[in-house]
Amino acid sequence: EAQVTQNPRYLITVTGKKLTVTCSQNMNHEYMSWYRQDPGLGLRQIYYSMNVEVTDKGDVPEGYKVSRKEKRNFPLILESPSPNQTSLYFCASSLSVRLNQPQHFGDGTRLSIL
Amino acid sequence: RKEVEQDPGPFNVPEGATVAFNCTYSNSASQSFFWYRQDCRKEPKLLMSVYSSGNEDGRFTAQLNRASQYISLLIRDSKLSDSATYLCVVLLGVSNYQLIWGAGTKLIIKP
Repeated sequence: EAQVTQNPRYLITVTGKKLTVTCSQNMNHEYMSWYRQDPGLGLRQIYYSMNVEVTDKGDVPEGYKVSRKEKRNFPLILESPSPNQTSLYFCASSLSVRLNQPQHFGDGTRLSIL
Repeated sequence: RKEVEQDPGPFNVPEGATVAFNCTYSNSASQSFFWYRQDCRKEPKLLMSVYSSGNEDGRFTAQLNRASQYISLLIRDSKLSDSATYLCVVLLGVSNYQLIWGAGTKLIIKP
């Protein structure tokens, strides 16, 4: 089944403790991105990647890192999480953003930083 | 001013009615436009792309007005299952592949 898989789905952790949210897609998609969604603000793009080893900052990259060593994986890293990073996070992929291809989303990761 | 703006609603509409909402964007170089729907606590799903000449998919019609920098979504004969939040998405430009999302318009269809 074609899908985008994020893990974990839920995480409660403490300030300063490094964490990684994994994202994997099995559709051979070029474009992958990470979003956070907060009430009243909608989806905001954190980072995106056009292809392997190519990553770019989105709207709100501060406090986050990503890597794209393989086409299928696009992990989101919070080196030193803070409470303002408590949010709902989505990973998404698409065949190619240039060709107006739809974004396929993972189920989301609800992250709480205490 | 936000780059992509939507009326948050909620729009409370009786079943069977026609409803329309707009989304304005600030960057005139924006290249591509989409409507997604999102159900509560779920991931967004593509509803339709928006083409320059306007396009229709069943009960849904999308329009683009480049001169006034807005896109619109029209839903005819609304169903209870149309209740959701509708998100407008803009792809910024030829050399910038950042996607900018509106905060969404909440639609509630009442029986």
